[in-house]
Amino acid sequence: DTGVSQDPRHKITKRGQNVTFRCDPISEHNRLYWYRQTLGQGPEFLTYFQNEAQLEKSRLLSDRFSAERPKGSFSTLEIQRTEQGDSAMYLCASSLEGSERPYEQYFGPGTRLTVT
Amino acid sequence: DQQVKQNSPSLSVQEGRISILNCDYTNSMFDYFLWYKKYPAEGPTFLISISSIKDKNEDGRFTVFLNKSAKHLSLHIVPSQPGDSAVYFCAARPGAQKLVFGQGTRLTINP
Repeated sequence: DTGVSQDPRHKITKRGQNVTFRCDPISEHNRLYWYRQTLGQGPEFLTYFQNEAQLEKSRLLSDRFSAERPKGSFSTLEIQRTEQGDSAMYLCASSLEGSERPYEQYFGPGTRLTVT
Repeated sequence: DQQVKQNSPSLSVQEGRISILNCDYTNSMFDYFLWYKKYPAEGPTFLISISSIKDKNEDGRFTVFLNKSAKHLSLHIVPSQPGDSAVYFCAARPGAQKLVFGQGTRLTINP
């Protein structure tokens, strides 16, 4: 399977703990995106990378959130000092700049975070 | 501000008939529009896209129509099948790399 993969699929943590999620994009894709989705809403953009460079961050990405893509392949999203309001589905997507349709983003299955 | 709106939270259609899902937007700078389908506990699956310079794009049972003057797009599914039951999201790209999503419409196909 060469789709976008995310790990873990589910994470339950206590308020105040740190969590880290991983995303592996489609292998040849050079752009990687993180979104967050809460119940009853569409995905909301958090940040994106082109190769290893983080090129845009949403105002939703508070200073407790950090994302990296150190070698331009997989990416990690860390949330420090989790709060109950961080409970959501965290989605990763990837796309290929330079392709015929670079605007098409392909999503992984998501990581569901529950903060208790 | 909600730049992309799907005003119908749910839609129920009989199997074999046409499903029409609607989406309205406010930002005239959107250059591409996309539709995604989402099953529970899965990520969104890309369905079909359309450039802002086109008014129609078709792929098998799926057709997307874009009316720029009305800032409205729609997804037509014909014929509808039970496997089409899912939540459908309209998304738009504001010239940058991110996508802006609507709230979604839950489509139920009844046998």
